[in-house]
Amino acid sequence: DQQVKQNSPSLSVQEGRISILNCDYTNSMFDYFLWYKKYPAEGPTFLISISSIKDKNEDGRFTVFLNKSAKHLSLHIVPSQPGDSAVYFCAASRRSGGSNYKLTFGKGTLLTVNP
Amino acid sequence: GAGVSQSPRYKVAKRGQDVALRCDPISGHVSLFWYQQALGQGPEFLTYFQNEAQLDKSGLPSDRFFAERPEGSVSTLKIQRTQQEDSAVYLCASTVDRSEGYTFGSGTRLTVV
Repeated sequence: DQQVKQNSPSLSVQEGRISILNCDYTNSMFDYFLWYKKYPAEGPTFLISISSIKDKNEDGRFTVFLNKSAKHLSLHIVPSQPGDSAVYFCAASRRSGGSNYKLTFGKGTLLTVNP
Repeated sequence: GAGVSQSPRYKVAKRGQDVALRCDPISGHVSLFWYQQALGQGPEFLTYFQNEAQLDKSGLPSDRFFAERPEGSVSTLKIQRTQQEDSAVYLCASTVDRSEGYTFGSGTRLTVV
């Protein structure tokens, strides 16, 4: 059973517009959430994270929103740029209880930003 | 080095062959992780080291998979008697402390034929 779900395999947006990538999770023990970006033939690159004690974290063009009651998070990219075209992975971990910080990933969403 | 280095980048193995995948983490990084990424899937956790100690191997899919990090730096993931279902990209990641924002290598793409 998938504990982290990214239900949209792909998303296409115009340059300059907002990209919204969504992620749902089922395990209520998760308390830390991250987004990774991956280009072909490269490893995932850490983008932004959020703790469950917050509902929003912002870093430049990237903002992550967390809705704990809905077990849902989203990544907003504003404005979108062609260089943002990549696969985006949502990931979750459980920091409490002496966790070793292993991550549970979703299947990813391919974002294409058209010039 | 500047990043996490994995070798080989590509490996083709005949079914039943043993393979060894190498990971050179960033110097000084205490924590090291191995993940397996099948085609069209997200990475899945295999095992975790803190220095030379393997603290979690709950993700290793079978006893054919073995990982070691004898001196707390370079790590090797060994797969014995490879099967077709072992075909995947194997990713190594390291971090200086206990943080999920770790640095991934580019991975080793293993194809078992």
